[in-house]
Amino acid sequence: EDQVTQSPEALRLQEGESSSLNCSYTVSGLRGLFWYRQDPGKGPEFLFTLYSAGEEKEKERLKATLTKKESFLHITAPKPEDSATYLCAVQDDYKLSFGAGTTVTVRA
Amino acid sequence: ETGVTQTPRHLVMGMTNKKSLKCEQHLGHNAMYWYKQSAKKPLELMFVYSLEERVENNSVPSRFSPECPNSSHLFLHLHTLQPEDSALYLCASSQRVAQQTEAFFGQGTRLTVV
Repeated sequence: EDQVTQSPEALRLQEGESSSLNCSYTVSGLRGLFWYRQDPGKGPEFLFTLYSAGEEKEKERLKATLTKKESFLHITAPKPEDSATYLCAVQDDYKLSFGAGTTVTVRA
Repeated sequence: ETGVTQTPRHLVMGMTNKKSLKCEQHLGHNAMYWYKQSAKKPLELMFVYSLEERVENNSVPSRFSPECPNSSHLFLHLHTLQPEDSALYLCASSQRVAQQTEAFFGQGTRLTVV
């Protein structure tokens, strides 16, 4: 059975304080690893897809990387508007398996 | 606006009521999904439809009944629910099932069973 574990569960940052979120996974046949952002009371918003080890994607202050066992989401010089829950998911065949998420709070 | 619209946004229902959740996607996708999101737990896949045919039913209780009349619309019919069914119900769509394509989510229906 696919497993996705995200750490830490919660992260409190000062504005400008860079940090990384971890997503470790076990899956029989990885078809893709996805990062989503979710604001309270809203649906997840797609951020990145990574397909193979060594791949990297960037969007504004966010950078996602992938190895054979885990993915990292790096937040560089975060701003308060980066506060959200970040979800990681892996795709095996047709099924997306999600982690429980990391809730990031950025204080001004 | 993600191209996936869910109604209603909030729903309070008694355990003996019957209600339906609606999802509509404007992205031209062929696959649609229902997920359940409970507090502090990962999203749980409930149902998958590909070109209006159900592909997956993840051991979901029969009090949840999906319907997909066409590739743009998806319903979740609810009856005799339990308080533990209170959660955020999310609809999503993707270009195809079993391909490395991202899913786009609606804003969800916050369901409270009293």
